[in-house]
Amino acid sequence: DTEVTQTPKHLVMGMTNKKSLKCEQHMGHRAMYWYKQKAKKPPELMFVYSYEKLSINESVPSRFSPECPNSSLLNLHLHALQPEDSALYLCASSLNEVEKLFFGSGTQLSVL
Amino acid sequence: AQTVTQSQPEMSVQEAETVTLSCTYDTSESDYYLFWYKQPPSRQMILVIRQEAYKQQNATENRFSVNFQKAAKSFSLKISDSQLGDAAMYFCAYRSAVQGAQKLVFGQGTRLTINP
Repeated sequence: DTEVTQTPKHLVMGMTNKKSLKCEQHMGHRAMYWYKQKAKKPPELMFVYSYEKLSINESVPSRFSPECPNSSLLNLHLHALQPEDSALYLCASSLNEVEKLFFGSGTQLSVL
Repeated sequence: AQTVTQSQPEMSVQEAETVTLSCTYDTSESDYYLFWYKQPPSRQMILVIRQEAYKQQNATENRFSVNFQKAAKSFSLKISDSQLGDAAMYFCAYRSAVQGAQKLVFGQGTRLTINP
């Protein structure tokens, strides 16, 4: 299994909603990442988990809350988002902190 | 801080021809990794090729090869025998080899169009 699986593929939410994005991998990778990508721009790092501990938070607003329940799962909890948070959210994993990243196919989020 | 620059926002090539995408980077480190990622319309980021800075030999993966010039801090991607499926946005990326460094720094991307 060489896949990073993200659900849902598309999400539309209002500014008062609470929703969660889910990411799963079964490659035994110990580092997992959340990236945000706006149209026609490169991905921007949001969070990194290494061995299930949050190791990097790129000054992301608190309305985004990551969670790593176990080594295979990564969640991103969303609450009180703004329309400017609409973007593609990509999850990635790597064997360790220097190996290549494997990306999921993303969740396209629209905030109304 | 490291930076990655892709000076060609868009490129196009005839099917079956060869095209080269440019990438330069700035770093004070001596050990690092460089990557080319492809993002087709499906928007999944797919690793094309990886180069370790300590290796002088240029990496190759089938029709994809790189020209890694460490002194010039240049890392170009050559695609030979271009195919319609190569059409995508291509991102050059840098990653430090320092223990604990986990950030992948991307360039702005080059959109590649393949003309039939």
